[in-house]
Amino acid sequence: GQNIDQPTEMTATEGAIVQINCTYQTSGFNGLFWYQQHAGEAPTFLSYNVLDGLEEKGRFSSFLSRSKGYSYLLLKELQMKDSASYLCAVRSGNTPLVFGKGTRLSVIA
Amino acid sequence: DVKVTQSSRYLVKRTGEKVFLECVQDMDHENMFWYRQDPGLGLRLIYFSYDVKMKEKGDIPEGYSVSREKKERFSLILESASTNQTSMYLCASSSLSPGTSGGRINEQFFGPGTRLTVL
Repeated sequence: GQNIDQPTEMTATEGAIVQINCTYQTSGFNGLFWYQQHAGEAPTFLSYNVLDGLEEKGRFSSFLSRSKGYSYLLLKELQMKDSASYLCAVRSGNTPLVFGKGTRLSVIA
Repeated sequence: DVKVTQSSRYLVKRTGEKVFLECVQDMDHENMFWYRQDPGLGLRLIYFSYDVKMKEKGDIPEGYSVSREKKERFSLILESASTNQTSMYLCASSSLSPGTSGGRINEQFFGPGTRLTVL
């Protein structure tokens, strides 16, 4: 089976930088996804990593270390609208995504 | 834009009723998925399908069944609804096999969700 861990809740200040960590244990690793989910809405795709290193997309970056089973999502210049849950999901082989329980981020003024 | 739609945003049913949740995608995706999402438990996979007429059990299939008669439509059926099936139900779709193909990510696109309450 797979095990995905991420913090339950985080709080950060508007304009700051926050890093949301995700650790996983799996065999046949075939990609790690980050999704954003605002309250009452569907998850939307943010980023994808399959090779080690950093992927940058505007204010959001995602990092992967396959040897450590570790990823993080970095959010810069935080805005109030970034308050949401962030879901880490892992794909192994040809099986469907397995999601972590999500990290609820609150951005405060 | 990929569009995944679900038949209802909110649904209230009584214990023992048969419930149909419909999901339709317009991107000709081969793969479709049904999840439920509960506080503290995250997204859990109920059933998925990689092709028409094909279905596979996910992590929590008990009490549910599915139907995929057409490529664009994937239905979730609760044969006899129970109160512990009160939840947010999310449908998703993706293209081709779950692995990458031709450099594409094949990420999953989600519908808006159906909040089901069973009384």
